[in-house]
Amino acid sequence: AQKVTQAQTEISVVEKEDVTLDCVYETRDTTYYLFWYKQPPSGELVFLIRRNSFDEQNEISGRYSWNFQKSTSSFNFTITASQVVDSAVYFCALISGNTPLVFGKGTRLSVIA
Amino acid sequence: DSGVTQTPKHLITATGQRVTLRCSPRSGDLSVYWYQQSLDQGLQFLIQYYNGEERAKGNILERFSAQQFPDLHSELNLSSLELGDSALYFCASSPHDRGKVEAFFGQGTRLTVV
Repeated sequence: AQKVTQAQTEISVVEKEDVTLDCVYETRDTTYYLFWYKQPPSGELVFLIRRNSFDEQNEISGRYSWNFQKSTSSFNFTITASQVVDSAVYFCALISGNTPLVFGKGTRLSVIA
Repeated sequence: DSGVTQTPKHLITATGQRVTLRCSPRSGDLSVYWYQQSLDQGLQFLIQYYNGEERAKGNILERFSAQQFPDLHSELNLSSLELGDSALYFCASSPHDRGKVEAFFGQGTRLTVV
């Protein structure tokens, strides 16, 4: 069965600190897709990134970077120089086989000015 | 703006009642997904429609039903409501039947059952 684990329930950092959100996934499929979504206090779910299982190249987008490691079944998300606007709940999610998105429980990030 | 529109944004109703949540997918998307977000269960997949047909079913109660219309908008019907049905209900859409690409989510409908 597919499963996504986000062990960090809540993280609090001071503005300008770097922070890494952990995501561990489980699937028996060799082809799968990993995602990160952001849910700010306003409540909507905002897509951040998709990564395919056959592409382990890490990605950087501005202050955001993602580290995908198949050997440890992890897809971690790092925010560099965090800002107050980064405060949100972040969800890691997985698609494998014919299943729709399976989400982790989310990590609530609070960035304090 | 994701392009997915959900109405209403907020809904307050009494136990035992029935409500209908509406979703308009992004232009060109054929798949619609419904998710329920509650504090204790997190984001739970309910049901998926693709081009008018049911494609996948998740943890959807028998009191809940959904459909997708020819114009591709979808409705989620919740009946015999209980206090525990209070949650944020999301609709998402994607172009394909099987989600190999990201799904874009609407802003959600917050349902409060009193």
